[in-house]
Amino acid sequence: KQEVTQIPAALSVPEGENLVLNCSFTDSAIYNLQWFRQDPGKGLTSLLLIQSSQREQTSGRLNASLDKSSGRSTLYIAASQPGDSATYLCAVKSWGKLQFGAGTQVVVTP
Amino acid sequence: EAGVTQSPTHLIKTRGQQATLRCSPISGHTSVYWYQQALGLGLQFLLWYDEGEERNRGNFPPRFSGRQFPNYSSELNVNALELEDSALYLCASSLAGGGKENIQYFGAGTRLSVL
Repeated sequence: KQEVTQIPAALSVPEGENLVLNCSFTDSAIYNLQWFRQDPGKGLTSLLLIQSSQREQTSGRLNASLDKSSGRSTLYIAASQPGDSATYLCAVKSWGKLQFGAGTQVVVTP
Repeated sequence: EAGVTQSPTHLIKTRGQQATLRCSPISGHTSVYWYQQALGLGLQFLLWYDEGEERNRGNFPPRFSGRQFPNYSSELNVNALELEDSALYLCASSLAGGGKENIQYFGAGTRLSVL
């Protein structure tokens, strides 16, 4: 049974610092891994998707790596801004469904 | 182009009642997925419909059910509501099939409160 874990559960950093969010999964038989952002009470915004054959993906200040053999992914957010404050979720995809971690709640203070 | 739309935004019911939540997928998408986000439990997969058929189901009791219509929109029905059904229900859609190439796009959700 797949289990997805995110560490830390919460993170507070001053503006300008780099953010490092971790995601681990127990079953390496995944199609892909996706990082999402969720603002309070809102739906999900997709940030990055890494196919199982890829090692990393980059978009602007965001970079995500995937090590499928060790069951780990890391999301890096460079030069954090107060607007980056949100909950970040990772999800692994198997046939027809996404399985989510519990999320990391990020607060970036001005 | 319109994204995934869900209605209503908020729904308030009392214990024992039935709730119906609706989802319209992105044009051209034939797969619809339902997820529950209850406080303290995280996002949990509920149901997947593809081409009008239920393809996969999460670990939820039978009082959670749904259907997909010929226009690919979908309903989620929750019967005999319990207090712990209070949650944000998210719908997602994708192109046909559950493979790696089919990215799921999420709606804004329906907030169900059971009193």
